Amino acid sequence: DQQVKQNSPSLSVQEGRISILNCDYTNSMFDYFLWYKKYPAEGPTFLISISSIKDKNEDGRFTVFLNKSAKHLSLHIVPSQPGDSAVYFCAASSGNQFYFGTGTSLTVIP
Amino acid sequence: KAGVTQTPRYLIKTRGQQVTLSCSPISGHRSVSWYQQTPGQGLQFLFEYFSETQRNKGNFPGRFSGRQFSNSRSEMNVSTLELGDSALYLCASSPGTPNYGYTFGSGTRLTVV
Repeated sequence: DQQVKQNSPSLSVQEGRISILNCDYTNSMFDYFLWYKKYPAEGPTFLISISSIKDKNEDGRFTVFLNKSAKHLSLHIVPSQPGDSAVYFCAASSGNQFYFGTGTSLTVIP
Repeated sequence: KAGVTQTPRYLIKTRGQQVTLSCSPISGHRSVSWYQQTPGQGLQFLFEYFSETQRNKGNFPGRFSGRQFSNSRSEMNVSTLELGDSALYLCASSPGTPNYGYTFGSGTRLTVV
């Protein structure tokens, strides 16, 4: 049973616009959430994280929002750049194990 | 500082064979986790080792096994390979709990024919 879900397999946005990637989870015990970016033939690289005591975390162009009541996580990229084109995975943890979503492939069109 | 190193990068095996994949974590990292990535399935957790002990295990059959050595290097073994085992196998290391400094290697692409 998938405890972390990314319901949009793909997303296309114009360069300079906002990209919003969504993630839903089912386990209310999750207390730490991360986003990873993955290019083909490379391992995922850490992008940004948020703990359950916060509802927002910003790092440059990347902002993660957490809505605990809705069990929903989102990643905003503003402005989007062609180099952001990659697969984005969200992950959640309640201890020593991460649960990953199936990924959203983002394409930023120049 | 060197990252997480996985060897080999690519591997082709035939059904029924067995395979061993290797992962060298970042120096000082004691936790190593293994994942299987297939299209549409995301990253599926295999197991996690910490100080040579398996601390967590995912829902994979017993054909998938692993171990960790005293220098924190880890190996993953898959016996009696099936076509469905074709995937990218990723390992990730962290200092202790996977919450902090969780870093992935580039993966081993296994193709079973």
